[in-house]
Amino acid sequence: GESVGLHLPTLSVQEGDNSIINCAYSNSASDYFIWYKQESGKGPQFIIDIRSNMDKRQGQRVTVLLNKTVKHLSLQIAATQPGDSAVYFCAESPTLSTLTFGKGTMLLVSP
Amino acid sequence: NAGVTQTPKFQVLKTGQSMTLQCAQDMNHNSMYWYRQDPGMGLRLIYYSASEGTTDKGEVPNGYNVSRLNKREFSLRLESAAPSQTSVYFCASSEGGRSYNEQFFGPGTRLTVL
Repeated sequence: GESVGLHLPTLSVQEGDNSIINCAYSNSASDYFIWYKQESGKGPQFIIDIRSNMDKRQGQRVTVLLNKTVKHLSLQIAATQPGDSAVYFCAESPTLSTLTFGKGTMLLVSP
Repeated sequence: NAGVTQTPKFQVLKTGQSMTLQCAQDMNHNSMYWYRQDPGMGLRLIYYSASEGTTDKGEVPNGYNVSRLNKREFSLRLESAAPSQTSVYFCASSEGGRSYNEQFFGPGTRLTVL
């Protein structure tokens, strides 16, 4: 989900659960979408991307789903681990050169 | 391969002071970017350089200037710092060109303007 003001939406899960993080994007012309993970005090780290001609893409323990009809993107993390705790950002590419970032969702994983 | 490096890591300025944030990448990327990130927010694009020799404004360019010094280096300058520019600044790079590709980020510069 998207945040309001300074308060990030937070998803709390138990270790081993599957996590689903959602994102609504704004530009129906965007052709490319990315998920980034940001740990405290670090720069964003690429997780997975998807082109608009696909509706699903899988990586190692992660899956991205794209629903262009409702402009919705989700990131699924299987068997969530404490090391997955971070802020997750979706980003859309309205032009070849630039990315527009969402405000992020904090994922907290309890052992 | 260091990826994207940024200097300094931390900086405190007084209102009205100037400074330049440095960024370098060793991945032979064509495109480079400067973002700012405020607490609880996503990243907002300040300026970008799609290729060596070009620069363009992003979403929040006011109060900043950039220089694409060469293919490796892209600097961000604050001519007269204001408290509203207190933020974490990230540099990023990507292959650029005619296809979509991910951006790789540096570790950030934490800037406080008093």
